Amino acid sequence: AQSVAQPEDQVNVAEGNPLTVKCTYSVSGNPYLFWYVQYPNRGLQFLLKYITGDNLVKGSYGFEAEFNKSQTSFHLKKPSALVSDSALYFCAVRTAHTGRRALTFGSGTRLQVQP
Amino acid sequence: EPEVTQTPSHQVTQMGQEVILRCVPISNHLYFYWYRQILGQKVEFLVSFYNNEISEKSEIFDDQFSVERPDGSNFTLKIRSTKLEDSAMYFCASSDTSGTQETQYFGPGTRLLVL
Repeated sequence: AQSVAQPEDQVNVAEGNPLTVKCTYSVSGNPYLFWYVQYPNRGLQFLLKYITGDNLVKGSYGFEAEFNKSQTSFHLKKPSALVSDSALYFCAVRTAHTGRRALTFGSGTRLQVQP
Repeated sequence: EPEVTQTPSHQVTQMGQEVILRCVPISNHLYFYWYRQILGQKVEFLVSFYNNEISEKSEIFDDQFSVERPDGSNFTLKIRSTKLEDSAMYFCASSDTSGTQETQYFGPGTRLLVL
């Protein structure tokens, strides 16, 4: 079985400061890891993914995430937060097995960026 | 930029009634998915669909659920006899078939309320 843990329900950060949203995962075999963002009354918007290769992946809106295999983590980061980054962030994992594409999501972390 | 669309945005129904939720996936995508999110809970995988058949389903996707691709553009989720616990946000997603690394793109969701 695969699972994702997002240990923080909410992260508060001041505008201009760096932000980190934490994610750890469990999956059989190699993981494919994803971050999605959800704005109020909107769907899940893809931010970035790790499939293979470079452990640091860059995505939309200046976000990046670092894959750490030994710690089974995939934390989302941004060097300088914007008020407009305030939203609900979901980490998701799936196995690299070709026949199984189901994503397992974490419970989400609400990011609040204060002006 | 192509998007997944879903209709209706909101649906209210009486317990025991049938509902059909509709989705138009991104046009060149061949994998389709349904997920749901009960209020305050995680996003959960229901089913994936490829080449006119179910390729994977979760334990949630029991006999009261069915999916169909009735034409070249729509993808539907039918709940035959709704229960109170079916109240949730239902998300449709689609992905292409570029290897197995494809990203799932989500629609805005249909909020279903069963009374």
